Amino acid sequence: DQQVKQNSPSLSVQEGRISILNCDYTNSMFDYFLWYKKYPAEGPTFLISISSIKDKNEDGRFTVFLNKSAKHLSLHIVPSQPGDSAVYFCAASANNQGGKLIFGQGTELSVKP
Amino acid sequence: DTAVSQTPKYLVTQMGNDKSIKCEQNLGHDTMYWYKQDSKKFLKIMFSYNNKELIINETVPNRFSPKSPDKAHLNLHINSLELGDSAVYFCASSQLTAGSPLHFGNGTRLTVT
Repeated sequence: DQQVKQNSPSLSVQEGRISILNCDYTNSMFDYFLWYKKYPAEGPTFLISISSIKDKNEDGRFTVFLNKSAKHLSLHIVPSQPGDSAVYFCAASANNQGGKLIFGQGTELSVKP
Repeated sequence: DTAVSQTPKYLVTQMGNDKSIKCEQNLGHDTMYWYKQDSKKFLKIMFSYNNKELIINETVPNRFSPKSPDKAHLNLHINSLELGDSAVYFCASSQLTAGSPLHFGNGTRLTVT
């Protein structure tokens, strides 16, 4: 039973354009959502997060949008750069779960020059 | 000054052997985790320790035994290794407060032959 889903295994975008990565979840008890970026042979690196009481959080080129009624969140990267090419994981946590993060299966982003 | 470091990076061993993976964090976090990334790239939590006490144990075979000598270290010992144990194992740490991101090590790729 996969509570966090990223239905697009891969995404290809031209440099300078917007990248939009999507994530769906099923558990309404999740109260924080996080995005991680992962390069090959490295661990996931935290990018940006959003609390369930907000609908948008922005940090530089990265913006996360949360639609609670649709149980959907998205990560926007503008403008996309070749160095953004990596696997992006969506993750969620629920209060009183010992800090545990539940991850989606990842979306591989390729930004072409 | 790596924040979360785990050793070894690669581990190749035969079925039936016993092996250990070590993890250390210098971030002053009170909670540490072991995650497993399988061949399908899913990141799944195995264990979590808070101040040396086990708080999460996710239906992991009892051949896997975590040990936390202090809150900066969380080691993973695996007995009687099986082919299906081949995966990348990630250590992580965080503060146990709502929404705190996990900081991951670079992973240990375990191959059981």
